[in-house]
Amino acid sequence: DQQVKQNSPSLSVQEGRISILNCDYTNSMFDYFLWYKKYPAEGPTFLISISSIKDKNEDGRFTVFLNKSAKHLSLHIVPSQPGDSAVYFCAASKSGNTGKLIFGQGTTLQVKP
Amino acid sequence: DTEVTQTPKHLVMGMTNKKSLKCEQHMGHRAMYWYKQKAKKPPELMFVYSYEKLSINESVPSRFSPECPNSSLLNLHLHALQPEDSALYLCASSQSGSYTQYFGPGTRLTVL
Repeated sequence: DQQVKQNSPSLSVQEGRISILNCDYTNSMFDYFLWYKKYPAEGPTFLISISSIKDKNEDGRFTVFLNKSAKHLSLHIVPSQPGDSAVYFCAASKSGNTGKLIFGQGTTLQVKP
Repeated sequence: DTEVTQTPKHLVMGMTNKKSLKCEQHMGHRAMYWYKQKAKKPPELMFVYSYEKLSINESVPSRFSPECPNSSLLNLHLHALQPEDSALYLCASSQSGSYTQYFGPGTRLTVL
């Protein structure tokens, strides 16, 4: 039972354009969501997060949007840079269980120069 | 400083060996985690320590034995592993009550 899903295994975009990575979840109890970036042979790096009381959070080139009714979140990267090429994981958690992150399967982003 | 360090970087062991993985953080975080990640899969939570006490064990086989000697250190003792235990083992830490976890680079474990 996959509670967090990233249905696109891979995404390729041109440098300078927008990258949009999507994530869906099934558990309505999730109330906090995070995005991590992972390079090969490294641990995941925290990028940005959003609480369920918000619908948007922005940090530089990265913006996360949350649509609670659709149980959907997305990460927008603009402009995309070749260094953004990595695997992106979304993760979810719920109040009272902050220690447990449920990860999606990941989306491999390739940004072409 | 958001650094979590892990040693060794790579480990190869036989099924009868005993080895340990080490994780260290100096961010004052009081929650520490072990994850296992297989190729092309997401990280899977194994254990959570909160204030040096085991708070979550995700039904991990007893051949994996965690230990938290102090608030900065987390060990994972390995004994009688199987080849299917070969994976990247990730350590993470967070402030108590925070959702945001900071990960180390991982230990790439190969069981022969």
